[in-house]
Amino acid sequence: EVQVVESGGGLVKPGGSLGLSCTASGFKFSDAWMSWVRQAPGKGLEWVGRIKSRGSGGTIDYAARVKGRFTISRDDTKTTVYLQMNSLNIEDTAVYYCTWDSSGYYRLAKWGLGTLVTVSS
Amino acid sequence: QSALTQPAAVSGSPGQSIAISCIGTNSDVGSYNYVSWYQQYPGKAPKLIISDVNNRPSGVSTRFSGSKSGNTASLTISGLQSEDEADYYCSSYTSSSTLVFGGGTKLTVL
Repeated sequence: EVQVVESGGGLVKPGGSLGLSCTASGFKFSDAWMSWVRQAPGKGLEWVGRIKSRGSGGTIDYAARVKGRFTISRDDTKTTVYLQMNSLNIEDTAVYYCTWDSSGYYRLAKWGLGTLVTVSS
Repeated sequence: QSALTQPAAVSGSPGQSIAISCIGTNSDVGSYNYVSWYQQYPGKAPKLIISDVNNRPSGVSTRFSGSKSGNTASLTISGLQSEDEADYYCSSYTSSSTLVFGGGTKLTVL
């Protein structure tokens, strides 16, 4: 069974940093392209960024709103993708979902349950 | 990249058919057949119900179908059921190799 499980959410002060992890199973992770999507309370979905497989160049793309502040990385030996978030502001408060892109064109076939990040003083 | 445009809310009675539109641009919906639709219940993670404009993943009801014309994609739900009451989001691949979502549509089954 395909599964992705996020962890690392919590409360952080404005200007602070937080790192999220997403551990996947049930598919060949080393070939997987993974995306992070977030959802602010009561709002819609917002794409955060994507990391391609190493075999596809390992390219990382980011949404304009987080570029330069957020960093996505992966460890294929641990079947884990990471989201490092720096210079957090209140607008970054959201549930962060890890997703598996099964096509390379953002067919987000599997979503984790999400982890809540709250930025507040 | 601006969000795709969806109606905020739609409604229908059981058994009816409804359609949700998703308006993009020549840089996303209009140029690629990589439009997906997601269903989300309150407090739950989204679930893929349509990919590549009109493909249903295994296990998704045949009552859900997708289409596209120009810069507008549509999700149609036929034979509306109470369990279809949820939020629906469209998304599209973009010319910048990024992903853009619609603002979401709340479906109410009357």
